[in-house]
Amino acid sequence: DAKTTQPPSMDCAEGRAANLPCNHSTISGNEYVYWYRQIHSQGPQYIIHGLKNNETNEMASLIITEDRKSSTLILPHATLRDTAVYYCIVRVGYGNKLVFGAGTILRVKS
Amino acid sequence: SAVISQKPSRDICQRGTSLTIQCQVDSQVTMMFWYRQQPGQSLTLIATANQGSEATYESGFVIDKFPISRPNLTFSTLTVSNMSPEDSSIYLCSVLPPGTEQYFGPGTRLTVT
Repeated sequence: DAKTTQPPSMDCAEGRAANLPCNHSTISGNEYVYWYRQIHSQGPQYIIHGLKNNETNEMASLIITEDRKSSTLILPHATLRDTAVYYCIVRVGYGNKLVFGAGTILRVKS
Repeated sequence: SAVISQKPSRDICQRGTSLTIQCQVDSQVTMMFWYRQQPGQSLTLIATANQGSEATYESGFVIDKFPISRPNLTFSTLTVSNMSPEDSSIYLCSVLPPGTEQYFGPGTRLTVT
């Protein structure tokens, strides 16, 4: 699976959009981009995933660049409860193990 | 979706002893994984435990240290054997139900003294 690079930490004001970047320059054509988050003392939680089209669900939006070498997770209106570690993972399709990198610590501040 | 419970939620153990962690899922799933999260670190996959086959261990993890059982489609155990303080971590069970995403249990927080 391709390696991902994320900033170690970011701050965001409550109510503002949080934009979390991820670089995956060695991604293969059959690898999906997944985002999970881990709130303190809990197991990781699935957020969203995509292959090449932008995706949106009730939690977030995922913007993938045309060359698929990077992506951005957008939390449109961040709340204090969104403070967590966010992991960007690339994985070949469904049914394969998730390999976690270091992730980005997002701190939402009032 | 899948609801996962783990027992115990936390434990403090003496070095040299063993602890067995239980993972119970509310639905039948073939694919199950065990992860370790050392203090302040990300998650590291220990092994894949699919029902009906032997567990597959990742590099750096061996069966003698982390034996896994998978007796049926809703249950698994991970044993941490001959513990040392370096084994102090959160151990997480995870499942991949058909057609959905991977779900994680709440974790077992282990402290070895």
